[in-house]
Amino acid sequence: GQQLNQSPQSMFIQEGEDVSMNCTSSSIFNTWLWYKQEPGEGPVLLIALYKAGELTSNGRLTAQFGITRKDSFLNISASIPSDVGIYFCAGDGGVQGAQKLVFGQGTRLTINP
Amino acid sequence: EAQVTQNPRYLITVTGKKLTVTCSQNMNHEYMSWYRQDPGLGLRQIYYSMNVEVTDKGDVPEGYKVSRKEKRNFPLILESPSPNQTSLYFCASRNGAGELFFGEGSRLTVL
Repeated sequence: GQQLNQSPQSMFIQEGEDVSMNCTSSSIFNTWLWYKQEPGEGPVLLIALYKAGELTSNGRLTAQFGITRKDSFLNISASIPSDVGIYFCAGDGGVQGAQKLVFGQGTRLTINP
Repeated sequence: EAQVTQNPRYLITVTGKKLTVTCSQNMNHEYMSWYRQDPGLGLRQIYYSMNVEVTDKGDVPEGYKVSRKEKRNFPLILESPSPNQTSLYFCASRNGAGELFFGEGSRLTVL
């Protein structure tokens, strides 16, 4: 089945640093979604990407849909303590239509003040 | 406020005692889904529903049942829970643009 490889698995950074994480797949995706999950809460949608090459920003967050449709990255600029959490990518392969989202394993972000 | 609501948020039960986790969404979404989240395994889909009375198995359906009698509700049923079903469960609904919205989660412990 379709799989997503998300990296890195964890990051330990200083406040103010920029962050970059990515997801790659062996198959093509039609949609890429990026989520953030904080302790005790459900994942919250950050950015949705629908077209190859699309670059979308949401405040300090920027995500891109790779040209090959097999990858996506998420950047966070000038990190702050509230950025701590687990970030997930998710892709919709469209093989079975719109009902199947595949999730990456997550990137756990820790920030030292 | 647009949201997905799950209950209970926390539950400790014993092996074999039937339980239901309710899920309700107020966004009029046709698609709803259940996931379980386990350390090292990420989010895995249990069941999904494309619309009322239409349900299908996800990646890990064994030991679970669902029903979709109305658009807004999608309960998850564990007929005879076992310890390997101890997990964090998320209900989600999806809009026409393919964006998935999650509930706050239900942490289940089966002793």
